[in-house]
Amino acid sequence: AQSVTQLDSQVPVFEEAPVELRCNYSSSVSVYLFWYVQYPNQGLQLLLKYLSGSTLVKGINGFEAEFNKSQTSFHLRKPSVHISDTAEYFCAVRRNTGGFKTIFGAGTRLFVKA
Amino acid sequence: SAVISQKPSRDICQRGTSLTIQCQVDSQVTMMFWYRQQPGQSLTLIATANQGSEATYESGFVIDKFPISRPNLTFSTLTVSNMSPEDSSIYLCSVADSNTEAFFGQGTRLTVV
Repeated sequence: AQSVTQLDSQVPVFEEAPVELRCNYSSSVSVYLFWYVQYPNQGLQLLLKYLSGSTLVKGINGFEAEFNKSQTSFHLRKPSVHISDTAEYFCAVRRNTGGFKTIFGAGTRLFVKA
Repeated sequence: SAVISQKPSRDICQRGTSLTIQCQVDSQVTMMFWYRQQPGQSLTLIATANQGSEATYESGFVIDKFPISRPNLTFSTLTVSNMSPEDSSIYLCSVADSNTEAFFGQGTRLTVV
């Protein structure tokens, strides 16, 4: 079975500062990895995904993440955040064969302060 | 990408009653899933809706409480039965195929009073 651990439940940061949201996963098989964002009272939006290939993945809104197989991590980064980035961020994993169910981490609330 | 429509978008229900949530996808998909997001929490997978057979439930979820139908490759329903206030959550339909991310509907916000 797969599992996801998001190491920080809340991350407060000042506007224009860099941010890293940490995600570790556990799986006995190869996986796909995702980051989703959920703005207040809205649905889920995909930020970026790692399926294969380059371990550095770029997504929307200036976010990027790096897949590190040896450390089983998929941390999300942004060099300079905006107030509008305030939201809940979810790391997710699914196995890349034999089943498509996606398992989510507990979420990290990013709070950007002026 | 897939476009997913969920109905209703929200509802307030009396305890002891049941609510059926519909999920319609604009294309045929292999896998459909139902998730629950309790207030301030992450998404928890309830079950995988299998076309032509019984749904596959995750630990902690049972068919009697959350019966699911999937009559074809574009439609599924989730019923929340004999509701209690603890069932107040957002219920989300999701679809996925090989080599794609999961796509989500906007969710059904359920309040049980």
